[in-house]
Amino acid sequence: GQNIDQPTEMTATEGAIVQINCTYQTSGFNGLFWYQQHAGEAPTFLSYNVLDGLEEKGRFSSFLSRSKGYSYLLLKELQMKDSASYLCAVRVSGNTPLVFGKGTRLSVIA
Amino acid sequence: SQTIHQWPATLVQPVGSPLSLECTVEGTSNPNLYWYRQAAGRGLQLLFYSVGIGQISSEVPQNLSASRPQDRQFILSSKKLLLSDSGFYLCACQTRDRAYNEQFFGPGTRLTVL
Repeated sequence: GQNIDQPTEMTATEGAIVQINCTYQTSGFNGLFWYQQHAGEAPTFLSYNVLDGLEEKGRFSSFLSRSKGYSYLLLKELQMKDSASYLCAVRVSGNTPLVFGKGTRLSVIA
Repeated sequence: SQTIHQWPATLVQPVGSPLSLECTVEGTSNPNLYWYRQAAGRGLQLLFYSVGIGQISSEVPQNLSASRPQDRQFILSSKKLLLSDSGFYLCACQTRDRAYNEQFFGPGTRLTVL
């Protein structure tokens, strides 16, 4: 089977940096995605990694280590609007549905 | 750009009633289409996916069914709703028109079964 693990909840302070980890054990690997989902809304795409290393996009960065089956999403200069669930997802092969983790609910406090 | 429409946005239905949720996609052709359900405070559960007209793969056996009568239309149905069918239903699309071939989601339908 396919398995993706993320922490269930995290809390961080406004202006700080937070790292959300994701580990995966899947039968194949063709890319890892991070999505953001605000309460009551649909998930929106944040980032994509297929090669090892760091991808930076403004305040958000995502890292991948394929040999370790590990990724993290780094959020800098946290804002209250960053309070949301963050979903890690793996594409196992080219045309198959993404396998999603259960998501990490991030609360940003003043 | 690609857009997904879902309707209705919210729905309250009695147990045992039928269901039809519709999803249409604009701005692309030959997309892969997906139906997900998300129970309150839970993760995404893949229900069905389709790689083409009339082609449906079911991930979870239950009282729901899906159909794809046209390239950019995906319908989720049930003949008799159960209480456990309550949740947030999301249609998603995957197309090579996107930079990373990523899945993107429609706005969702919130279903409450009473």
